[in-house]
Amino acid sequence: AQSVTQLDSHVSVSEGTPVLLRCNYSSSYSPSLFWYVQHPNKGLQLLLKYTSAATLVKGINGFEAEFKKSETSFHLTKPSAHMSDAAEYFCVVSDLMTGNQFYFGTGTSLTVIP
Amino acid sequence: DAGITQSPRHKVTETGTPVTLRCHQTENHRYMYWYRQDPGHGLRLIHYSYGVKDTDKGEVSDGYSVSRSKTEDFLLTLESATSSQTSVYFCAIGVGEVKYFGPGTRLTVT
Repeated sequence: AQSVTQLDSHVSVSEGTPVLLRCNYSSSYSPSLFWYVQHPNKGLQLLLKYTSAATLVKGINGFEAEFKKSETSFHLTKPSAHMSDAAEYFCVVSDLMTGNQFYFGTGTSLTVIP
Repeated sequence: DAGITQSPRHKVTETGTPVTLRCHQTENHRYMYWYRQDPGHGLRLIHYSYGVKDTDKGEVSDGYSVSRSKTEDFLLTLESATSSQTSVYFCAIGVGEVKYFGPGTRLTVT
């Protein structure tokens, strides 16, 4: 069965410091993994995706994530937080066995302190 | 912006009334999805469609029905709204392995 665990429901960082949002997944097949961002009262925007190519994936707005199969993790990082990064972040897993259905984590709310 | 619109964007309705939410896409993608978003649950799949008149249930389909008579439109109907269906509803289209989401509809059932 597919599932995603986002290890922190809330993360606070100071502006200019690194961001780390943690995600662990469970998948019975070769997974595809995604990070989406949701700003207040907005829809979900794709940040980045891993689909069995390079394990270090670069996304928009300076975010990146590393797929670690041995640790079943797909943590999201950014070297320097900006005020505009304050949002809800969702980790998502899918795989071919489930017809590319998405399984969402419960989200991590990122606060950026000026 | 993947050319997805949802209507209405906000709705307040009373318990027991039927409600229909509309999702419209401009790019003729085959796969369309309806999700609901609730605090502490992420997004959960209600129904999806893989073509005109081809639909299937997701994990939280009870109390909902869908229809797709044209490629560009995917309708979600709450047959008799209940307070537990107060939520934010997102439509999505599937493009390869990626899904793109609409702006959402905030539904309140009083």
